[in-house]
Amino acid sequence: NAGVTQTPKFRVLKTGQSMTLLCAQDMNHEYMYWYRQDPGMGLRLIHYSVGEGTTAKGEVPDGYNVSRLKKQNFLLGLESAAPSQTSVYFCASRKRAGGGDTQYFGPGTRLTVL
Amino acid sequence: DAKTTQPPSMDCAEGRAANLPCNHSTISGNEYVYWYRQIHSQGPQYIIHGLKNNETNEMASLIITEDRKSSTLILPHATLRDTAVYYCIVIGVTGRRALTFGSGTRLQVQP
Repeated sequence: NAGVTQTPKFRVLKTGQSMTLLCAQDMNHEYMYWYRQDPGMGLRLIHYSVGEGTTAKGEVPDGYNVSRLKKQNFLLGLESAAPSQTSVYFCASRKRAGGGDTQYFGPGTRLTVL
Repeated sequence: DAKTTQPPSMDCAEGRAANLPCNHSTISGNEYVYWYRQIHSQGPQYIIHGLKNNETNEMASLIITEDRKSSTLILPHATLRDTAVYYCIVIGVTGRRALTFGSGTRLQVQP
């Protein structure tokens, strides 16, 4: 049971380049999330998904797109990277349940945009 | 979700109990108190959560006041590996239930 994994772990992009970050979970969780964390700050929600084939915007969605074609995978895309998107990106998942369930986080992807 | 207030930093001696406070005076009846921590450069890690009653697990204890307006996370025997930023988060049971991370408390365990 690997939990939540993220690919790649590190990436350097030039301004205007595109890339896709992959998040995978093997816990059969319904909900998945993408957060970003800038230096010295807490995590902020980019997009989330409440099930296969569904996505929704979080607090800071601009410049990002997501897809959830398979229940176990949640992809985060940057179509035209900007230096402001330099950050650490964390994926998380949780079961769909009532109160009392928890989120499980991946190890993060460190992205630098030059 | 209710807002939380935590001290920015705390120190604790290794082997002693670390008591991390959190104020959540606007919490509503169906909102839970969750604690996560983030060790440097790693993804956040779930510690414990509660609604009304005090809770204990293998990692920590959570004490919630009777009026639910504040809580304390207790690490009974802090080790150097407990050095991290600790986040207190209040979250309801409906909706997207994404976590709203504030600045947290940076706990430094001293040898």
